[in-house]
Amino acid sequence: QVQLQESGPGLVKPSQTLSLTCTVSGGSINSAGYYWGWVRQHPGKGLDWIGYIYYSGSTYYNPSLKSRVTISLHTSKNQFSLNLDSVTAADTAVYYCARASDYGGHDAFDIWGQGTMVTVSS
Amino acid sequence: DIQMTQSPSSLSASVGDRVTITCRASQSISSYLNWYQHKPGKAPKLVIYGASSLQSGVPSRFSGRGSGTDFTLTISSLQPEDFATYYCQQSYSIPWTFGQGTNVEIK
Repeated sequence: QVQLQESGPGLVKPSQTLSLTCTVSGGSINSAGYYWGWVRQHPGKGLDWIGYIYYSGSTYYNPSLKSRVTISLHTSKNQFSLNLDSVTAADTAVYYCARASDYGGHDAFDIWGQGTMVTVSS
Repeated sequence: DIQMTQSPSSLSASVGDRVTITCRASQSISSYLNWYQHKPGKAPKLVIYGASSLQSGVPSRFSGRGSGTDFTLTISSLQPEDFATYYCQQSYSIPWTFGQGTNVEIK
């Protein structure tokens, strides 16, 4: 059974880079056909898609964040990561990592991590 | 970006009630619509994919309908474990977008 777990600093200073890692257990990040992505939830708000990376390495980002975000695969560690540059208080949120699967042409996030709260503050 | 609008934003219901949540897309998304259940402090859970297909392990009291711009999620007989926030999400085009959520509360 595949499980995901986020890790990283809970507090980041403004203008610095937010870096989170998602560790995948119970399955390989190299498995064909999966996307590995990040979603965030601002306090009291809904879910926002940040982006994802295909198992082959192709990346897809939300245009609203594209200039600041990088998602990478780390296959030797069975992990993938999120870097978000030049953060502000508006980036304070719970960050979830998730796996997207292809269900007969319909992609959906079918496995999620528990989420990690990141606060941007000096 | 495709805007997803859910209604109602919240509802109060009793165990055993039939509950329907609506999701409307700002343009046609065919059947590229997923539904998630989210409880506080927990990982979101996929309930319905492709507008009407039940995710493995999800009880059959959950059902989804719709195509194009209008979609519904129905819980035929609400159970205590179903009280949560439900989100629709389109996977028709990048960026994927979510509805604002519907909070299902105990009456």
